[in-house]
Amino acid sequence: GEEVAQTPKHLVRGEGQKAKLYCAPIKGHSYVFWYQQVLKNEFKFLISFQNENVFDETGMPKERFSAKCLPNSPCSLEIQATKLEDSAVYFCASSPPASGITDTQYFGPGTRLTVL
Amino acid sequence: GESVGLHLPTLSVQEGDNSIINCAYSNSASDYFIWYKQESGKGPQFIIDIRSNMDKRQGQRVTVLLNKTVKHLSLQIAATQPGDSAVYFCAENGDSGYALNFGKGTSLLVTP
Repeated sequence: GEEVAQTPKHLVRGEGQKAKLYCAPIKGHSYVFWYQQVLKNEFKFLISFQNENVFDETGMPKERFSAKCLPNSPCSLEIQATKLEDSAVYFCASSPPASGITDTQYFGPGTRLTVL
Repeated sequence: GESVGLHLPTLSVQEGDNSIINCAYSNSASDYFIWYKQESGKGPQFIIDIRSNMDKRQGQRVTVLLNKTVKHLSLQIAATQPGDSAVYFCAENGDSGYALNFGKGTSLLVTP
């Protein structure tokens, strides 16, 4: 598609439950990025993919967070055993194939996760 | 640690005036800079970007200026309109190369 698509728009989970978020990048884009935005403020980088391969996972809280980008499927971000502090808006972004340089990242509308 | 920050958290301007939003960064390794506009309940919308081999780039009603000497980035919006009201974020690629480091955001309010 021409835009990054994210589902669901809103997700409510009880503390300890699992949450799974989905992202479909712009067609033809090779890179997918996940960011977390808390309180409409700063963005925290979580993980990036180059096609189906993890490119950079330095921001991932590895104990409970996992992500995948499988061929012919939306990318996913999964949080096992959610905690209150996971409440945030999770954004996915995609960018075109890059020959060793940073390129423009286009963001989706986000998934608002509320952990009760 | 390395960080990106904004000088002003809020900016109020009158419709038709020019707006300038500033951003300081600290990582001298950054070579890519980008401005996003975020409206309430929406994702960041790309405005303009610039690479470190340039010091100025213009778009439609927007100009980005990069001063590498003092590690300063600014976004100028000409003839600001009510539709420009939003939070503006600067971001740079820092050490990661591809992932973006975002600043705190400046809220721009355009009054009629």
